[in-house]
Amino acid sequence: EPEVTQTPSHQVTQMGQEVILRCVPISNHLYFYWYRQILGQKVEFLVSFYNNEISEKSEIFDDQFSVERPDGSNFTLKIRSTKLEDSAMYFCASTRDSVGNEQFFGPGTRLTVL
Amino acid sequence: RKEVEQDPGPFNVPEGATVAFNCTYSNSASQSFFWYRQDCRKEPKLLMSVYSSGNEDGRFTAQLNRASQYISLLIRDSKLSDSATYLCVVSLLSGNTPLVFGKGTRLSVIA
Repeated sequence: EPEVTQTPSHQVTQMGQEVILRCVPISNHLYFYWYRQILGQKVEFLVSFYNNEISEKSEIFDDQFSVERPDGSNFTLKIRSTKLEDSAMYFCASTRDSVGNEQFFGPGTRLTVL
Repeated sequence: RKEVEQDPGPFNVPEGATVAFNCTYSNSASQSFFWYRQDCRKEPKLLMSVYSSGNEDGRFTAQLNRASQYISLLIRDSKLSDSATYLCVVSLLSGNTPLVFGKGTRLSVIA
């Protein structure tokens, strides 16, 4: 069964460093998302992406964040200058089209900012 | 204002018990409704979509009351493997709109 994959599974970084989180969505999916979940908190939407551009973004997704689909298979989330409060689980998700309801989630990347 | 509100639990129930979870949502424009399941430190996985007419999938039954902005999930004959956090999720439209998650209700099924 096709699945969303994410790398790395765990990333530890120093405050102020840049990190890139990688995702490979399901191959025939067209809509991509990043969510985050701070430990003990709810899953929160960051950004959605379609047709090589951002469709929607939340208040969390400020100028420190960017997304890219560099090569037709990977979908990346970059945090330019990490803060302690960026420590969270970051989930990538994808869905096939605007009719399909289910967003399929990847296993997540646990980001720890020291 | 919490967009999706759930009782955090935990609900500790014996095997074979019936347990019900409730959820309320604040945005009356919400159009799509789901229950996701999340195991500890894992990704959310879709358990079932929720329709106005109510729907059932094996031991799981979901109900939606749009007038009250209320969603429920009933689990019958609980199994040890049902132990997880159950997330109530809504979105404005189907498909490519962001999902809005509740904080989840923790269920522990005890032997």
